[in-house]
Amino acid sequence: QSVLTQPPSVSGAAGQRVTISCTGSSSNIGAGYYVHWYQHLPGTVPKLLVYNNDKRPPGVPDRFSASKSGTSASLAITGLQAEDEADYYCQSYDTTLGANVVFGGGTKLTVL
Amino acid sequence: QITLKESDPALVEPTQTLTLTCTFSGFSLTTSGLGVGWIRQPPGKALEWLAVIYWNDDKGHSPSLKNRLSITKGTSKNQVVLTLTNMDPVDTATYYCARTQRDFFYMDVWGRGTTVTVS
Repeated sequence: QSVLTQPPSVSGAAGQRVTISCTGSSSNIGAGYYVHWYQHLPGTVPKLLVYNNDKRPPGVPDRFSASKSGTSASLAITGLQAEDEADYYCQSYDTTLGANVVFGGGTKLTVL
Repeated sequence: QITLKESDPALVEPTQTLTLTCTFSGFSLTTSGLGVGWIRQPPGKALEWLAVIYWNDDKGHSPSLKNRLSITKGTSKNQVVLTLTNMDPVDTATYYCARTQRDFFYMDVWGRGTTVTVS
């Protein structure tokens, strides 16, 4: 059971827009800790996609955007492409049972 | 160029101790704000954060594994060592090390990962 809750899967047709939610609580996202997102393509290394709630590292297309509100965050992907098919993880910091880094359970994105 | 590389794949018997080394280049663990952490992913499951050590020797551990985990800086200044005691088949996973930004707690550069099998 992950501290941050994500839907197990989402899907969308090529060219469409999808969003992935990440629900936390008052001990992590709601406490003001930043949310970060990672893309994990099959057979590759997890890649930082968004950091500090809504910042994109160099090289990440602006088709990827993220936001945070209250105890939740979301990742939006517009203009879906086949290469976007991957697992997506949100991550934050939690103060329950001692402060530590926490991941969401991951969301599998399927591009139809 | 920043790179991190985990030690070679390992086959460990139950109850044994796992020792993994992360060797990195392109940054220094004496730089304020930087750390090196470990994350694992069991087959078919989600990423799980394990531990981190920072430039100032501060450390963090997963609460669920804290009693079994140890993270230290290696004898070489570009290495970090993770030790996990009393290994169990449920610890079978790909183990990644990653550079961690202390101020915001995100991992910006990851190693390729190494497979650990407990059997």
